Order: sequence, then C-alpha cells, then structure tokens
Amino acid sequence: RKEVEQDPGPFNVPEGATVAFNCTYSNSASQSFFWYRQDCRKEPKLLMSVYSSGNEDGRFTAQLNRASQYISLLIRDSKLSDSATYLCVVRKSGNTGKLIFGQGTTLQVKP
Amino acid sequence: SAVISQKPSRDICQRGTSLTIQCQVDSQVTMMFWYRQQPGQSLTLIATANQGSEATYESGFVIDKFPISRPNLTFSTLTVSNLSPEDSSIYLCSVTQGGRNQPQHFGDGTRLSIL
Repeated sequence: RKEVEQDPGPFNVPEGATVAFNCTYSNSASQSFFWYRQDCRKEPKLLMSVYSSGNEDGRFTAQLNRASQYISLLIRDSKLSDSATYLCVVRKSGNTGKLIFGQGTTLQVKP
Repeated sequence: SAVISQKPSRDICQRGTSLTIQCQVDSQVTMMFWYRQQPGQSLTLIATANQGSEATYESGFVIDKFPISRPNLTFSTLTVSNLSPEDSSIYLCSVTQGGRNQPQHFGDGTRLSIL
C-alpha cells in the first residue's frame, strides 16, 4: 500500500464547477499536511498547508480528518487556470522533515 | 519565500558520463533536499543534503551514484554518476526555512535526458 494515495483522475470539469479531491495516508503519526500544485513540466508549488481545524484560502478549502487519515481539497468556481496536477503531501513524524508525495490528481477545467 | 536557482535547467548527456546539478538559494535555509521525478511519476526523495557532513540517503539511493555536497547554508550540488537511460528524469532541489514542520519550496528543476 502506498503511504499517500490519491485518485489520479483526470477530473474534467466545466468552468465554474466545484471539484473535490481526496487523499488518504497510512502513517497515523504523520505530522504535517500540504497540498501542492504542479503545472505541466514545472516544479511543484505550495498551494496551502492543511490544518486540523480546516482552512480556506479564497476558492480553496482544505480539510484534515486525523481519525480517518484523510485529507481533502475543495475548489469552488473553477477557473481555466486551475488546470494542473494537485499533489497531496504528508510529512512523516520524526526530525527529518521528510515529505511523502502522492501521485497527484490531474484537473482539467474546460470552457 | 526563498528564491531557489537550479543549474542547468536541462541537459542531454551521453551514457557513462556524469552531470552535476547546482542549487543556489538567496538566503540561508534550514534544510535542503534532492528529489527525482521520473516521467509520469510523483516525486521521490533521493537524499537530505546536510551542511558540512555526508548527505542522508533514502532507500534505493547510494552515495556512489548520487554524490551530494552542501558546503554552506545556501548551496548544494547533486551529481548523477555513470549515467544510463534510466536516469532520464527531472531532478529537483527543495529547501525549508525556519522549523522542520515548515513546507518545502522547490527550485524549477533540471530536466536530464540520456542518449
């Protein structure tokens, strides 16, 4: 079983739609959680950290359920520019700062 | 966040040769990492670059194949040695500023192709 699992998609949605991505992680001692965005042939860029209480940044909402070891990302009012691969990322416990990346979920927003 | 510059941005190399990739940061950072992203795959950590000491390698990666240097808090190099077609990949440097729980930020990567 992979340490971080995501549905690879692709998710094809029309502009203005709301789309949700899910992610599960296997290590219950994981410490920190992030969503990164990666455009084609570019480096990953931090989209947002994910906090236990849930957090929102504009059209993006992230949720964490530690009991179920589940992370989600909700995108409202999708824009064409949201088309990208979204990576669920988990930091393992311990002092190494090591991140574990999911395989990514591809989103294609169409006009 | 820190500005991270990687060089070269891309290269095409012959089998059996080596390529050294540089990662320069515009400010001192706590931790530096090297990742590989093979075509169609997600990122895999190669090693943590430790300032002034040997890098910490992940399972499946060894120093002879991927020697790493980190002479100070703003600079690191990754060498990919004895290149083979399987080494064709994107290699990414990332850094963390502040505490270990802070997110990592990535350089724009080095795209390596092997003939």
